[in-house]
Amino acid sequence: NAGVTQTPKFRVLKTGQSMTLLCAQDMNHEYMYWYRQDPGMGLRLIHYSVGEGTTAKGEVPDGYNVSRLKKQNFLLGLESAAPSQTSVYFCASRLLGLAGELFFGEGSRLTVL
Amino acid sequence: QQQVKQSPQSLIVQKGGISIINCAYENTAFDYFPWYQQFPGKGPALLIAIRPDVSEKKEGRFTISFNKSAKQFSLHIMDSQPGDSATYFCAASGSGANNLFFGTGTRLTVIP
Repeated sequence: NAGVTQTPKFRVLKTGQSMTLLCAQDMNHEYMYWYRQDPGMGLRLIHYSVGEGTTAKGEVPDGYNVSRLKKQNFLLGLESAAPSQTSVYFCASRLLGLAGELFFGEGSRLTVL
Repeated sequence: QQQVKQSPQSLIVQKGGISIINCAYENTAFDYFPWYQQFPGKGPALLIAIRPDVSEKKEGRFTISFNKSAKQFSLHIMDSQPGDSATYFCAASGSGANNLFFGTGTRLTVIP
């Protein structure tokens, strides 16, 4: 049982380039989330999804887009990367009704030069 | 506006000592208070959690103390070990898909 898997684990981009982070979960969870983690700022929610085909904005959505075409996958896209998007990105998932019990992936470290 | 305030930002404790991390919240609608543990290079993982109808929950060396009237809760790590060195996040949640709020984290270092 892999849980939540994120790819890639590391990526370096140049300003203006685009990329997609992939999150896959094998726990049949309804809800999926993308967070970014920056020193001293904790975990900030970017976007989330309550089910296949639905997405919603979190606290810091600007500069990111998401899609959830299949229940087990949640994609985070950067259309035109900026240095301010240098961060560690975490995907998480949970079951319906268990609001505080998230399962996190191991993270994707993104550097934008 | 920070929904959950966490302190201290960093903590250094001797092996065998007690580590204490404090959190405070404002929204009385929160009904679940989890703590997450994150080791370097890994994602956060649920460590222990409490609901507001109890004042304390203990799991091994980890204890959550909860003060509903003061809207504060804390994590106590007894007999702290070097393997406990990690970043700890408190959180508070209510109902709904987007109703989980994290503190800013505490980096704990346990020195031998």
